[in-house]
Parts: sequence; structure tokens; C-alpha cells
Amino acid sequence: DTEVTQTPKHLVMGMTNKKSLKCEQHMGHRAMYWYKQKAKKPPELMFVYSYEKLSINESVPSRFSPECPNSSLLNLHLHALQPEDSALYLCASSQPGYSNQPQHFGDGTRLSIL
Amino acid sequence: QKEVEQDPGPLSVPEGAIVSLNCTYSNSAFQYFMWYRQYSRKGPELLMYTYSSGNKEDGRFTAQVDKSSKYISLFIRDSQPSDSATYLCAMTGGAGKSTFGDGTTLTVKP
Repeated sequence: DTEVTQTPKHLVMGMTNKKSLKCEQHMGHRAMYWYKQKAKKPPELMFVYSYEKLSINESVPSRFSPECPNSSLLNLHLHALQPEDSALYLCASSQPGYSNQPQHFGDGTRLSIL
Repeated sequence: QKEVEQDPGPLSVPEGAIVSLNCTYSNSAFQYFMWYRQYSRKGPELLMYTYSSGNKEDGRFTAQVDKSSKYISLFIRDSQPSDSATYLCAMTGGAGKSTFGDGTTLTVKP
């Protein structure tokens, strides 16, 4: 079992829908991350929150909107997605800082856009 | 040129073999070096991490970092079918970002 929990595990949505992905960690970490992973590819960084503030946005389209309500929770709000957005969305957490302690990943949400 | 290059595989070995997985990198600022194991339909699982050069052992797994050569390795002794997975190397040295290799898919045949 992972210590980073993501819900839902699977999500199918139409291009006009609005949905949210949720992530929760109880490791006391103060940095949280969203990644997108396509099949047979490594994770691709989307957003980084450090101490609940957005510190990195890797030029992600505005149809993806992250939110960090507190130090344990991370959300990713989805709206008007495209078929190419179908992927595994991974959440990770770590201690923040320049040394960027190793990240711990959840099992992801597998997203399919119809 | 990519910052991190990982031997692409796929790699297929018989049960009990010693497996060597390797990555090279170009960024001298990298300080933390990680190996993740990812099973199908699961998230990456942190296997080993090392800071700077040296060796680290954990059971059947040994991670080696040679900063002078910009080369890292993961060795798996007495490989088991349950070790069949994709292995990702990752490195960090800048604030908030890790750089991943493309992964090596390993199959251990009984």
C-alpha cells in the first residue's frame, strides 16, 4: 500500500465535463506534485506546490487547474479536456527544498477522455 | 541530448540471474539519485536513493553512483519473477524538479 492516496482510480469523462482528481498524503511532506504519464513513457511534471503555494507550473494548459487546500491535500480540476489528455495522472509528495528529497508516488488516476 | 539517458531494454533474464540497470547523465548539479520500480497499472515505487557518489545496499538491491563518470547503476541479485517491472532512474539537483530516465522494462522468467 502506498502512503499517497489518489481518487478515483479510474475516470472516464467527455470533453465538456468538469471533474476533479484528489490526492492525500499523511507523510508530513510539504511539497506535492502532479505528473502526467503516457504509456511506456516516464512521468512528466505538471505542477509543484511547496508549502501549499504553487512554485512550478510547467506551461500546462489552463484546462488543468491545481489546488492545494492544505498540507495533506492536492486537487487537480479538469475542464474541457481533449482526447490527448488521456493518461495516468500521478500525485507525489516529498520534503521541499533545494535538495528535493525523493518523491513518493500514489498509484494514479487513469483518465480516459471520450 | 537528454539530461538523463537510460539503457532502453527491454531486458529478459532467467530467474536467479544478476541484473544490471544503468543510467548516464550530463547535469553536474544532480545530487540525489533514485531508482523507482513501476508495475503495470501502478505508480512508481521508490526502491533506492543515494546522495552523491557511493554504494547503497538493501537486500537483493545495490545502487551505485559514480559522479566522476556521471553514471549510476542498480544491481538486482537472485532476480525473481516478481521483479518483472519497469525500472526508472531519476535525479534531482534543482529546486522542485526531478529528471527521469525513459525506463527499462525487465522480465524475469521462471
